[in-house]
Amino acid sequence: DTGVSQDPRHKITKRGQNVTFRCDPISEHNRLYWYRQTLGQGPEFLTYFQNEAQLEKSRLLSDRFSAERPKGSFSTLEIQRTEQGDSAMYLCASGGGNEQYFGPGTRLTVT
Amino acid sequence: GEDVEQSLFLSVREGDSSVINCTYTDSSSTYLYWYKQEPGAGLQLLTYIFSNMDMKQDQRLTVLLNKKDKHLSLRIADTQTGDSAIYFCAESIEWSGKLIFGQGTTLQVKP
Repeated sequence: DTGVSQDPRHKITKRGQNVTFRCDPISEHNRLYWYRQTLGQGPEFLTYFQNEAQLEKSRLLSDRFSAERPKGSFSTLEIQRTEQGDSAMYLCASGGGNEQYFGPGTRLTVT
Repeated sequence: GEDVEQSLFLSVREGDSSVINCTYTDSSSTYLYWYKQEPGAGLQLLTYIFSNMDMKQDQRLTVLLNKKDKHLSLRIADTQTGDSAIYFCAESIEWSGKLIFGQGTTLQVKP
């Protein structure tokens, strides 16, 4: 257990629906990252927060994706109008010092 | 550009040493990491090395870094069946600390 929790662990949704995932990082960490991992690939960076400020977004993050970290603690990642290509594992990482600790991930399946 | 490459598969016998290799392209990398992922699980941070170092040892793990050739390796001594997993190499990019991952090396340990 890395101390990073994600909810839900699994989500099955129909194409076109909206979904929201939550990440609770390690409490003393001020950096939070979202990554996406598809089968047989390494995680790909999506976005990054320093405290409540979203400082970088990947080109992978289309307009349908939005992330927030309102009080610099937990973060949410919302996907609007889901598509089958959004099916993946969504990973959150908590950053302290030079280290990033990953949560267990949320597996999204879009049918 | 940012790119990390790994060989896809390695098979060893229990008790032998395993060496997993990785190459990266970004010369501005500050730290290089090794993560382990078991089936259905999140990523576990194994070890990392600062880009100005050339070696780091941590119990059964030895990391070697050749900065000139942008080559990183992870040696696991006395490999056990519990070491069977996917191993990811990653580089961190400058100020944000975002990680760029390789596609992972599947390590199979035969009894």
